[in-house]
Amino acid sequence: KQEVTQIPAALSVPEGENLVLNCSFTDSAIYNLQWFRQDPGKGLTSLLLIQSSQREQTSGRLNASLDKSSGRSTLYIAASQPGDSATYLCAVWDNYGQNFVFGPGTRLSVLP
Amino acid sequence: GAGVSQTPSNKVTEKGKYVELRCDPISGHTALYWYRQSLGQGPEFLIYFQGTGAADDSGLPNDRFFAVRPEGSVSTLKIQRTERGDSAVYLCASRLTSGITDTQYFGPGTRLTVL
Repeated sequence: KQEVTQIPAALSVPEGENLVLNCSFTDSAIYNLQWFRQDPGKGLTSLLLIQSSQREQTSGRLNASLDKSSGRSTLYIAASQPGDSATYLCAVWDNYGQNFVFGPGTRLSVLP
Repeated sequence: GAGVSQTPSNKVTEKGKYVELRCDPISGHTALYWYRQSLGQGPEFLIYFQGTGAADDSGLPNDRFFAVRPEGSVSTLKIQRTERGDSAVYLCASRLTSGITDTQYFGPGTRLTVL
């Protein structure tokens, strides 16, 4: 059964810092991996989708990498801003199911 | 008509009562998913519809939970004899196709509190 973990559980940084969020998954047989953002009381917003054949995806200040063989992904946020404060969730779509398996999330606070 | 909508946004009920949670997917999206998110956790898969039929209901925790999508658009998640442990945010998501490369679009969720 696929399991997804995220480290750290919570992170607080001053505005302007670059930061890295980590995601690990136990079964490398995945179709894709996706990073989502969740604001309090809101649904999930897709940030980046990485196909299993890809190594990374970039969107603005965000860069996500995927190392399928080691079961790891990182989300890099450059020049963090207070508006980046949210919970970031990693999810994998594996070869066995028809749904995402989510990690528990990293709660990010960017202090002005 | 933009995104996925869910009603109600909040539902408070007493232990033992029956509740229905509604999801309106994006128009034309054939795939619809229900997830449950407990405090401090990521969403957990409950059930997936392709069209009107439940393609995978392996995530439903027990037979008190049931979901329907009779016309292939709106879906209702039904919970009988609610328990305090059912308290969570219930998220709905829809997707245009069953293709694995397509992303899911999530609604804002229904926060269920069972007293």
